[in-house]
Amino acid sequence: GAVVSQHPSRVICKSGTSVKIECRSLDFQATTMFWYRQFPKQSLMLMATSNEGSKATYEQGVEKDKFLINHASLTLSTLTVTSAHPEDSSFYICSARRSGPGSTEAFFGQGTRLTVV
Amino acid sequence: GQNIDQPTEMTATEGAIVQINCTYQTSGFNGLFWYQQHAGEAPTFLSYNVLDGLEEKGRFSSFLSRSKGYSYLLLKELQMKDSASYLCAYWGSQGNLIFGKGTKLSVKP
Repeated sequence: GAVVSQHPSRVICKSGTSVKIECRSLDFQATTMFWYRQFPKQSLMLMATSNEGSKATYEQGVEKDKFLINHASLTLSTLTVTSAHPEDSSFYICSARRSGPGSTEAFFGQGTRLTVV
Repeated sequence: GQNIDQPTEMTATEGAIVQINCTYQTSGFNGLFWYQQHAGEAPTFLSYNVLDGLEEKGRFSSFLSRSKGYSYLLLKELQMKDSASYLCAYWGSQGNLIFGKGTKLSVKP
């Protein structure tokens, strides 16, 4: 089946630094990938939709200058958390939906646990 | 989640049956998903219902009523490893999934 790989799985960074998270679709091309954030005991909330070759679409309340998204190829999207603060500590998960007819499933990366100290 | 509701927590006994309900409201409905999520891990796909009725897959079954905006996940012969959060979700307008807040299921010996 389709696999989405996300890296790193865990990262600890100092406040004020930047962290890059990668999301790769391993055996299919994904023109669109999704980035979610999940705080403890909360649901997965969509942050942004990453579109290959064009600008990402951000959900209301998500700062596009803080959460930089790059989708330079059909198999890779990156999320960079810039000038991280402790309140950015969360679980970040990417997802991709296989294009084409009969596609009924979203595939998730393993998630990245970000801790900002 | 957005217009999607499920109980926050449930407790059940090992070997028993548990039903987790989900109600939703959306236009342009294209199917209802159930995912299992263990703490600190990504969600794992369990089921997808697009037509009314019950779909059985081993110990897990999922039911959908589109007219009522209602679904449930039925877990039989509960095992300790079934302790997890269970998320229902539907497709959003951008092709993303819109999730409920999840039901944390605790299975007791």
